[in-house]
Amino acid sequence: SAVISQKPSRDICQRGTSLTIQCQVDSQVTMMFWYRQQPGQSLTLIATANQGSEATYESGFVIDKFPISRPNLTFSTLTVSNMSPEDSSIYLCSVGLTGTEEFGPGTRLTVL
Amino acid sequence: QQQVKQSPQSLIVQKGGISIINCAYENTAFDYFPWYQQFPGKGPALLIAIRPDVSEKKEGRFTISFNKSAKQFSLHIMDSQPGDSATYFCAASMTGSSNTGKLIFGQGTTLQVKP
Repeated sequence: SAVISQKPSRDICQRGTSLTIQCQVDSQVTMMFWYRQQPGQSLTLIATANQGSEATYESGFVIDKFPISRPNLTFSTLTVSNMSPEDSSIYLCSVGLTGTEEFGPGTRLTVL
Repeated sequence: QQQVKQSPQSLIVQKGGISIINCAYENTAFDYFPWYQQFPGKGPALLIAIRPDVSEKKEGRFTISFNKSAKQFSLHIMDSQPGDSATYFCAASMTGSSNTGKLIFGQGTTLQVKP
């Protein structure tokens, strides 16, 4: 199984600022995914990040709010832009290595 | 059609008892059904998964039962232990070559196993 790390593990940010979350995998993977988990809720897919192409966003998520980079097969970033308190969530990256998905530990974001 | 409905929302079981969590789906194109376990402050971890060509899969104390005609599947935790106390998510995906394999998650079940 893949070893997935995320930075930062948590952050407290001010309204109107942006935060970039990094996801690093210890092996090359084709598919990387970004999820949001709001407090006490289930996981919602934000976008699929493929290396060498634009990310594919799910309904309700837009690139201007959640720009994603995927510069190589082991790394991706998700930026949460112009944050509001409603963006307070856990953000998780995952990889589809074995036909299913394995998750990183998550980034817990609090927006004041 | 893309939803996965999970119940119950919360569950309290005595140590040694059986925990049962149920999920239902609509989209018959789903062909992969994993269960994830999530402890507070951690990312979800894959627990066990099943494909619709089998009706049951067992790994240790964890069993998935799958009913293709009813479009339902369930997780059974035998001899539940306090260490099993966590949130459990069912999920479904389409893993064919033309699909991304992205997961659709159920709403989650918070399990508490009392000593």
